[in-house]
Amino acid sequence: GAVVSQHPSRVICKSGTSVKIECRSLDFQATTMFWYRQFPKQSLMLMATSNEGSKATYEQGVEKDKFLINHASLTLSTLTVTSAHPEDSSFYICSASSGLGYNEQFFGPGTRLTVL
Amino acid sequence: DAKTTQPPSMDCAEGRAANLPCNHSTISGNEYVYWYRQIHSQGPQYIIHGLKNNETNEMASLIITEDRKSSTLILPHATLRDTAVYYCTPIIIQGAQKLVFGQGTRLTINP
Repeated sequence: GAVVSQHPSRVICKSGTSVKIECRSLDFQATTMFWYRQFPKQSLMLMATSNEGSKATYEQGVEKDKFLINHASLTLSTLTVTSAHPEDSSFYICSASSGLGYNEQFFGPGTRLTVL
Repeated sequence: DAKTTQPPSMDCAEGRAANLPCNHSTISGNEYVYWYRQIHSQGPQYIIHGLKNNETNEMASLIITEDRKSSTLILPHATLRDTAVYYCTPIIIQGAQKLVFGQGTRLTINP
């Protein structure tokens, strides 16, 4: 299957700082990327859907001004957690889809964010 | 979005077949049944998908009932590395559609 990478894999930051997480599709063009958040022992919760070149669509309850998503190219989407607080500590996972043919999403390995 | 129901946990002995059920009684005609699994602290991994016919690949087999209201994922010879949370989710056939994950089944393979 196609490969999706995330960087960094783990980040620790101080409260009030901003953190950027990158999601890259390495061997295909991803017209759509999805960002999920997962708290311990819970399922993945979709945060937003981003299409290349357009604004992201956020799920209900997700603050768009706090979680900035940029999908500037067909292989890269970024999620910026602004003014992070301890409650933002979570496992952030992206997935990518080419949008062609069968709807198959390929997931990144995830980024563990810890806010002190 | 169609909802799914899965048992929260299951145990299986190493080397035996693991059968994971999923109920998706409200699935639409244009939705496939997809199965993913998530090993601890990793991103979900695609396993298999199907529309109405049974499917098999190198990882697993998928049995879908004739009315498509439920399915069973079969890992024929479970190994310790198959310990993970398994999710079934209906997905519309074409285009990039968002996935809605339920709570999944936490499968533990015991030696």
